[in-house]
Amino acid sequence: AQTVTQSQPEMSVQEAETVTLSCTYDTSENNYYLFWYKQPPSRQMILVIRQEAYKQQNATENRFSVNFQKAAKSFSLKISDSQLGDTAMYFCAFMENNAGNMLTFGGGTRLMVKP
Amino acid sequence: ETGVTQSPTHLIKTRGQQVTLRCSSQSGHNTVSWYQQALGQGPQFIFQYYREEENGRGNFPPRFSGLQFPNYSSELNVNALELDDSALYLCASRDARGAVNEQFFGPGTRLTVL
Repeated sequence: AQTVTQSQPEMSVQEAETVTLSCTYDTSENNYYLFWYKQPPSRQMILVIRQEAYKQQNATENRFSVNFQKAAKSFSLKISDSQLGDTAMYFCAFMENNAGNMLTFGGGTRLMVKP
Repeated sequence: ETGVTQSPTHLIKTRGQQVTLRCSSQSGHNTVSWYQQALGQGPQFIFQYYREEENGRGNFPPRFSGLQFPNYSSELNVNALELDDSALYLCASRDARGAVNEQFFGPGTRLTVL
């Protein structure tokens, strides 16, 4: 079974600075997807960024980028120019290829952006 | 804000009762999944439905069951409620023909079991 571990229960960052959230996972699969989701106090899970395991290039979405290290099974999220609206729970998630909707989530990191 | 809605927003039940939670998928989405998110934890996969058939299940007992209707709305039913069933229940829908990241979550139903 796959497992996803987020070792930082809480993080804080000053507005406009950069923060990195860590995620490691364990799988015997070779084809899979990795995701970072944001869950603000409104509770609605929002996709931030995704990475296909077969792609060597790290995914980037505006201020959000990942550092995907397949051999190390590491998938960290970097948030640049942090904004107050980035304050939320962040979840790392794993999905096998052809597994439909079945996501395996980590325990989450609570990020607080301070003014 | 996505097109996935869930009802009710909050619900309080007592141990042993039964509960039905509802999800209305985004238009055109034929696959729906349900997740349980205990307080302070990440969501855990319960099961998923595709074209009204269950086609994947996590480590949850049979008292957790579901239905998916032709209009792609769905229900999660939990029988014989236990205190540990208190959690946020999320549904997520996608079009099986679309990209794997086109998966949209609803705002959840907060269930409290007393």
